Amino acid sequence: EVQLLESGGGLVQPGGSLRLSCAASGFIFSAYAMTWVRQAPGKGLDWVSTISGSGDTSYYADSVKGRFTISRDNSKNTLYLQINGLRAEDTAVYYCAKDRSSGGSCYNYWGQGTLVIVSS
Amino acid sequence: DIQMTQSPSSLSASVGDRVTITCRASQGISNFLAWYQQKPGKAPKLLIYAASTLQSGVPSRFSGSGSGTDFTLTISSLQPEDVATYYCQKYNSAPQTFGQGTRLEIK
Repeated sequence: EVQLLESGGGLVQPGGSLRLSCAASGFIFSAYAMTWVRQAPGKGLDWVSTISGSGDTSYYADSVKGRFTISRDNSKNTLYLQINGLRAEDTAVYYCAKDRSSGGSCYNYWGQGTLVIVSS
Repeated sequence: DIQMTQSPSSLSASVGDRVTITCRASQGISNFLAWYQQKPGKAPKLLIYAASTLQSGVPSRFSGSGSGTDFTLTISSLQPEDVATYYCQKYNSAPQTFGQGTRLEIK
């Protein structure tokens, strides 16, 4: 059974940093690209970043480029999102998601999400 | 970047009704289009990928169609458990943009 479990969210002051983690199980982690999607309270889904299965290619939304860094440790089956320079507009539930196929795709499994609140 | 526009933003229909939600891409995306269902407080769930392929385990009352720039999600006979917000997403290339969502309610 595929499982994705996010952690690392919390209350952070503007300008602060966080590292989100997503522990994966139930599939060959290194074979699939992984993605972070966020959802601000009461708003829609917002694609944040995707990393290839090997970890050598990554993509970012313009709104987070230069502040967020996606990475993965295939030996630990874990996906990360390092978030620096947090802003109020980064307040959201952050979901990790697994690509449906190995060649760049939509997402057939999602975690339960971790809430990041940016406030002073 | 390619923009994804859904319509309507919200929709109210009766149990048993046929419901259609539209998604339009600002440029052609072939069939790299997915539909998700999100219930309150839950993670999104993949319903349809490649514009018209039903994800395993999804009821057959859900269907998708379209190619290029215009896509539709259809629920053939609305059920109470279909109350949710529905999102389209393009995934041909980054950014993998979502539509703004369509909130579906029971009348």
